[in-house]
Amino acid sequence: QSALTQPPSVSGSPGQSVTISCTGTSSDVGSYNRVSWYQQPPGTAPKLMIYEVSNRPSGVPDRFSGSKSGNTASLTISGLQAEDEADYYCSSYISGSTFVFGTGTKVTVL
Amino acid sequence: QVHLVQSGAEVKKPGASVKVSCKASGFTFTSYAMHWVRQAPGQRLEWMGWINAGNGDTKSSQKFQGRVTITRDTSASTAYMELSSLRFEDTAVYYCAREVSNSWRDWGQGTLVTVSS
Repeated sequence: QSALTQPPSVSGSPGQSVTISCTGTSSDVGSYNRVSWYQQPPGTAPKLMIYEVSNRPSGVPDRFSGSKSGNTASLTISGLQAEDEADYYCSSYISGSTFVFGTGTKVTVL
Repeated sequence: QVHLVQSGAEVKKPGASVKVSCKASGFTFTSYAMHWVRQAPGQRLEWMGWINAGNGDTKSSQKFQGRVTITRDTSASTAYMELSSLRFEDTAVYYCAREVSNSWRDWGQGTLVTVSS
């Protein structure tokens, strides 16, 4: 199973919005609403930001939102803040009770 | 409060095996699936496999089938991941994570496994 495709990097100024795409296939992202997103600052464990495409766990700011269209899921960070600078990974369920991560995107706050 | 505490760093020679533990607290261990994810230096996250802590069913990524064994000890609320026939490219931080709503809500602190001759 190949990794889901994400852009290597995105950047924005404080207060701006950025969107990270996560492209899979009809066998993973396109077939299941089991897409999640993780934030990982350097040297730390990942943190869940979005689950089941568009749901935010408690404690995650509402600046973070998720969506999906066809085989592509997206994470949008609105009102970008310096603390949002990190690597972000998407993940999707695949048939056969397995999962796959995306290639990862580095978010830089200019 | 959920805690997942993993065992300490390991250094292994090529061809050896390593077993990493993940002790859970703050929730009913047998009601959840526990997953293992690894991250080589500077690389992306990579899903390895999971275990249903209740009935012991497991599933692993095709990439690791035949080399990874995931087990659990319900009396100790602990999950284990053993990787055999280690190669230099298995050098990575290995994480355990608790699955909630098809996602990994809680993570261990990570265990660095270094494969070196």
